[in-house]
Amino acid sequence: DQQVKQNSPSLSVQEGRISILNCDYTNSMFDYFLWYKKYPAEGPTFLISISSIKDKNEDGRFTVFLNKSAKHLSLHIVPSQPGDSAVYFCAAIDGSSNTGKLIFGQGTTLQVKP
Amino acid sequence: DSGVTQTPKHLITATGQRVTLRCSPRSGDLSVYWYQQSLDQGLQFLIQYYNGEERAKGNILERFSAQQFPDLHSELNLSSLELGDSALYFCASSDDPGYGYTFGSGTRLTVV
Repeated sequence: DQQVKQNSPSLSVQEGRISILNCDYTNSMFDYFLWYKKYPAEGPTFLISISSIKDKNEDGRFTVFLNKSAKHLSLHIVPSQPGDSAVYFCAAIDGSSNTGKLIFGQGTTLQVKP
Repeated sequence: DSGVTQTPKHLITATGQRVTLRCSPRSGDLSVYWYQQSLDQGLQFLIQYYNGEERAKGNILERFSAQQFPDLHSELNLSSLELGDSALYFCASSDDPGYGYTFGSGTRLTVV
């Protein structure tokens, strides 16, 4: 049962354009959402997060949008840079579990072309 | 350096063997999480420890076990290894997961 889904395995965009990565979830008890970036041969690194009480959070070139009614979130990267090429994972925390366990999506590989 | 140290970085072993993966969390973090990433798969939660006690369990096989020691380092023990256990194993630590875990660089296990 995949509670967090990233339906696009890959995305390719031109440098300077916007990258939009999408994520859907099924568990209405998720109350915190995070995006991680992963380069080859490295562990995932935290990028940005959003609480379920918000619908938008911005950090520099990265913005995460949350649509609770649609159980959908997205990560926007503007402008995209070649160094952003990596695998991006969406993750969620079940607020009722009291463990802080993250449930990850399958990841989307972003390629930013110069 | 993320502050989370995993050893070894690479491990090649034969089917049926047993291995131990080690994780030292970031200073001050009481929670340790273990995740498995198989080829082309997302990160699958295995188990969480908090200050020495098991806090949550995911899809961890009975052949796998873990523990967290008084100094907060953790070990993941994998036994009776099968080819399908070949994967990247990540350890992460946190004091507040809402601000994001800190992951180690992983141990790549290859079972031959």
